[in-house]
Amino acid sequence: DADVTQTPRNRITKTGKRIMLECSQTKGHDRMYWYRQDPGLGLRLIYYSFDVKDINKGEISDGYSVSRQAQAKFSLSLESAIPNQTALYFCATSKTSGGIITGELFFGEGSRLTVL
Amino acid sequence: ILNVEQSPQSLHVQEGDSTNFTCSFPSSNFYALHWYRWETAKSPEALFVMTLNGDEKKKGRISATLNTKEGYSYLYIKGSQPEDSATYLCASGRLDSNYQLIWGAGTKLIIKP
Repeated sequence: DADVTQTPRNRITKTGKRIMLECSQTKGHDRMYWYRQDPGLGLRLIYYSFDVKDINKGEISDGYSVSRQAQAKFSLSLESAIPNQTALYFCATSKTSGGIITGELFFGEGSRLTVL
Repeated sequence: ILNVEQSPQSLHVQEGDSTNFTCSFPSSNFYALHWYRWETAKSPEALFVMTLNGDEKKKGRISATLNTKEGYSYLYIKGSQPEDSATYLCASGRLDSNYQLIWGAGTKLIIKP
């Protein structure tokens, strides 16, 4: 079983709908991240969390919100989806003991979202 | 946010040949350089994290070097095999980046049998 699990893996929705992408991990890591991947671009950080009570905006947080319900769970929500949020979304974790920028990331398999 | 550039964008290599590609990043306030291997429909997986100028790391047939003064890292694959086909991502972390890694768009490597 994957250590970092994302659901759903694929989702097609319509403009204006609310969408939640869920991430759960069994690695015991405190740090969790949501990234967005678009063709031809590098991964961009949406939000990150260093523990259950910690939420931080990344480079492209507008239009998104997150919830860290437990150490193992980090959800990403699109309150009112729009077509330019069509992308591949990755959840990732990293060890607390690693440096914040030097810590190796462990990724889920991605959630492909299409907004029509 | 300053960019991380990877070249080439894609690369076709004959099985058995060796290859290399480049990650260029801002040298100012450099802190760390990450390399990841991403196979289609799978999770990106870490290959190397490097921090020191002149670092060289190796994992099997794959190795990487780091030049922080001029802002580049090379990834080398020796004797390419079909299972090396993947997109290779690099990311740079800066001291002033508020904990964010800046990612390149990747080099897509296709090994021809």
